Amino acid sequence: EAGVAQSPRYKIIEKRQSVAFWCNPISGHATLYWYQQILGQGPKLLIQFQNNGVVDDSQLPKDRFSAERLKGVDSTLKIQPAKLEDSAVYLCASSTGRTDTQYFGPGTRLTVL
Amino acid sequence: QQPVQSPQAVILREGEDAVINCSSSKALYSVHWYRQKHGEAPVFLMILLKGGEQKGHEKISASFNEKKQQSSLYLTASQLSYSGTYFCGLQNDYKLSFGAGTTVTVRA
Repeated sequence: EAGVAQSPRYKIIEKRQSVAFWCNPISGHATLYWYQQILGQGPKLLIQFQNNGVVDDSQLPKDRFSAERLKGVDSTLKIQPAKLEDSAVYLCASSTGRTDTQYFGPGTRLTVL
Repeated sequence: QQPVQSPQAVILREGEDAVINCSSSKALYSVHWYRQKHGEAPVFLMILLKGGEQKGHEKISASFNEKKQQSSLYLTASQLSYSGTYFCGLQNDYKLSFGAGTTVTVRA
């Protein structure tokens, strides 16, 4: 069974530029999550989708971050404009349901200069 | 609210044991344990769903004390492959909140 796929794996941008990350969850997983992991910390949930609907985005900085999961499968996370403090690893995870085991992708390491 | 993990770091020799604790100030639905190696994604180890439940993965086991709102991860007879950062994820309101992690270094 294929795992969670993410791209790109690495991205370097300058502050105030925009960037987008892509995630393809495990086939059949209805729930998809985006996490931000700053160096030395645990993952922090940004947004959670159930199929193509948002069920939790309480920790998403909505003035600069946006995410969508239009067809209930893959998802994109966008940052516009980026700030220095956005430098982190962005992890995508998926699960069959909202209380089930989450499986993580390899992440995208973002560096904002 | 973020769970509290202790210790922050531990260094072991192969074959030694260690305990990692994770506690919360909120009632818990379940506890999820993950291990993350440097530069890699967190890998699922186990989930504990009931108070008092204990589970194992190879020589790694965990317990969940619902009343005390805490969980412990036990590394028994540690191997070099056990090195990494261990995170507990506490589930409440359909969200996982992760602790800051415990870095385990196992030396030969």
